Amino acid sequence: DTGVSQNPRHKITKRGQNVTFRCDPISEHNRLYWYRQTLGQGPEFLTYFQNEAQLEKSRLLSDRFSAERPKGSFSTLEIQRTEQGDSAMYLCASSLSGASFSPLHFGNGTRLTVT
Amino acid sequence: DQQVKQNSPSLSVQEGRISILNCDYTNSMFDYFLWYKKYPAEGPTFLISISSIKDKNEDGRFTVFLNKSAKHLSLHIVPSQPGDSAVYFCATGNQFYFGTGTSLTVIP
Repeated sequence: DTGVSQNPRHKITKRGQNVTFRCDPISEHNRLYWYRQTLGQGPEFLTYFQNEAQLEKSRLLSDRFSAERPKGSFSTLEIQRTEQGDSAMYLCASSLSGASFSPLHFGNGTRLTVT
Repeated sequence: DQQVKQNSPSLSVQEGRISILNCDYTNSMFDYFLWYKKYPAEGPTFLISISSIKDKNEDGRFTVFLNKSAKHLSLHIVPSQPGDSAVYFCATGNQFYFGTGTSLTVIP
């Protein structure tokens, strides 16, 4: 169990640029989640995958955000035309399906700063 | 729409005493809850969970209580230790909703 890995740890970008984050889940986990967290708030659900299928997207996820998990392993989260309001910590988590409510294993996050 | 609420942003407790962290939810259809702990610069880690078929679940120093009629759950830590200082989040079973967190400080 090498844990959930997220890259990069930090990203600074200028407003209007596109950014992409990567998440490598625990290898045997087939569920993968993306969250956004801002200061003083809890993780805010963005989307989740079971294997390669994207099963749920938050209505808060604007069309500038897209996530993929092409082979059911790693996942990418892309933000197009970044805005200052996108500045946040982006968390990835994985879990096993099967059990009704499997606890999530979180990565350490990617901190995005949009200038 | 805040489906899960933690109304106390922070809590300070003396070492050895009990810490009680609270969480309220709005939807009675939620039937499973989890607590996560988060240290600075790390992702949250799972702590303890409870199903609605129970009103209590215990794991060592950590106990979670669920009051379905009040739509309220609480996490008790006893005795509290300095290493418990962290931010604690409650979450619904589908993992779609997290509270805003309570920052616990255990004073040696």
